Amino acid sequence: EPEVTQTPSHQVTQMGQEVILRCVPISNHLYFYWYRQILGQKVEFLVSFYNNEISEKSEIFDDQFSVERPDGSNFTLKIRSTKLEDSAMYFCASSEAQLTEAFFGQGTRLTVV
Amino acid sequence: GEDVEQSLFLSVREGDSSVINCTYTDSSSTYLYWYKQEPGAGLQLLTYIFSNMDMKQDQRLTVLLNKKDKHLSLRIADTQTGDSAIYFCAESIDYGGSQGNLIFGKGTKLSVKP
Repeated sequence: EPEVTQTPSHQVTQMGQEVILRCVPISNHLYFYWYRQILGQKVEFLVSFYNNEISEKSEIFDDQFSVERPDGSNFTLKIRSTKLEDSAMYFCASSEAQLTEAFFGQGTRLTVV
Repeated sequence: GEDVEQSLFLSVREGDSSVINCTYTDSSSTYLYWYKQEPGAGLQLLTYIFSNMDMKQDQRLTVLLNKKDKHLSLRIADTQTGDSAIYFCAESIDYGGSQGNLIFGKGTKLSVKP
């Protein structure tokens, strides 16, 4: 069964460093998303991406964040200068069409020390 | 703004039915979802319902939607210990053609006792 895959599963980084979280969405999907879940809190929407551009983003997705689809398969989230409060589980998701079910990856646990 | 609320905990005995409830505020919801998260794992889509439906059944899972009261429930028949997990209710909203992101509840932790 097709699935969304994310790497790495766990990333530890020092405050101020740049991190890139990687995702391979399901191959025929056109819409891509990043969500995050701070420990014990709700899963929060960060950004959605379609047709090689950001279609929607939340207040959390500030200038420190960027997304890219560098080739036909990968979808990345970059955090330029990590802060302690960026520590969270980051989920990538993809969907075939707008407003249909989104399939999530297993998540990358980011720990900023 | 939009909000999705769930009770935080539910405990049932193995073999009983579990009912997890969710309320949402935005009447523009298009799809409503149930996701399952096992410890240390990602979000697994369990089932979803389109907002013009009242009920959807999928094996042991029954989703009921009361659009008037903005209430969604997930019933798990014959609950097993393997069903122990956190269950998230989520809605996607049609902003008149813009990309609908998912609004999640805080999740209900289901504990199944043998």
